[in-house]
Amino acid sequence: DIVLTQSPATMSVSPGERATLSCRASESININLAWFQQKPGQAPRLLIHGASTRATGVPDRFTGSGSGREFTLTIASLQSEDFAVYYCQQYNNWPPYTFGQGTKLEIK
Amino acid sequence: EVQLVESGGRVVQPGGSQRLSCSASGFSFGSYAMFWVRQAPGKGPEYISSISSSGGSEYYTDSVKGRFSISRDNSKNILYLQMNSLRPEDSAVYYCVKEEAISGLVIPFVSWGQGTLVTVSS
Repeated sequence: DIVLTQSPATMSVSPGERATLSCRASESININLAWFQQKPGQAPRLLIHGASTRATGVPDRFTGSGSGREFTLTIASLQSEDFAVYYCQQYNNWPPYTFGQGTKLEIK
Repeated sequence: EVQLVESGGRVVQPGGSQRLSCSASGFSFGSYAMFWVRQAPGKGPEYISSISSSGGSEYYTDSVKGRFSISRDNSKNILYLQMNSLRPEDSAVYYCVKEEAISGLVIPFVSWGQGTLVTVSS
């Protein structure tokens, strides 16, 4: 199974600042990576697919990049609604589809 | 608008069984593969099973193989998950999830239901 390792586990950032979240795969997954945002009590929400394509309705302050084993989600100018947990997920080799353990983005 | 509504979650004793249902609307249900993803309290999501659009192919993660069974009724637009020999570690919110074809590429986990909670405890 492909293991996704996210870093950091928790990130404290002030509103208006930029946040950069990382996801590393145990082997190459090309660009078959998605990013999800999850708020308490809600289902995960797809933000990015194909490593860099924003899902419908996702603000352009969310940018995904990377290929192969290294991926990044950058959130420019953090808004209050962006503080949540973020997960990366691979769909290159399945089953199983696998998720990272998550990065919690909290207000500094 | 895609709507996925799960039901069937409850408190179950270890070793017991439970069937979850997911009622789908707002899209051509029989044209899409469907998935079950679970999330234990305080943990990340975990893929557990998927089924092809026709129901002819099923996939399971190792931890539920032989205990869980996925199925679908395309005439009723319902996805099922039959869970047998339940263990405390199966306690989680179970989500029904739909794939989507975007620009010719299939993206697996696009639309999610609100989830249904299964608690395995004596």
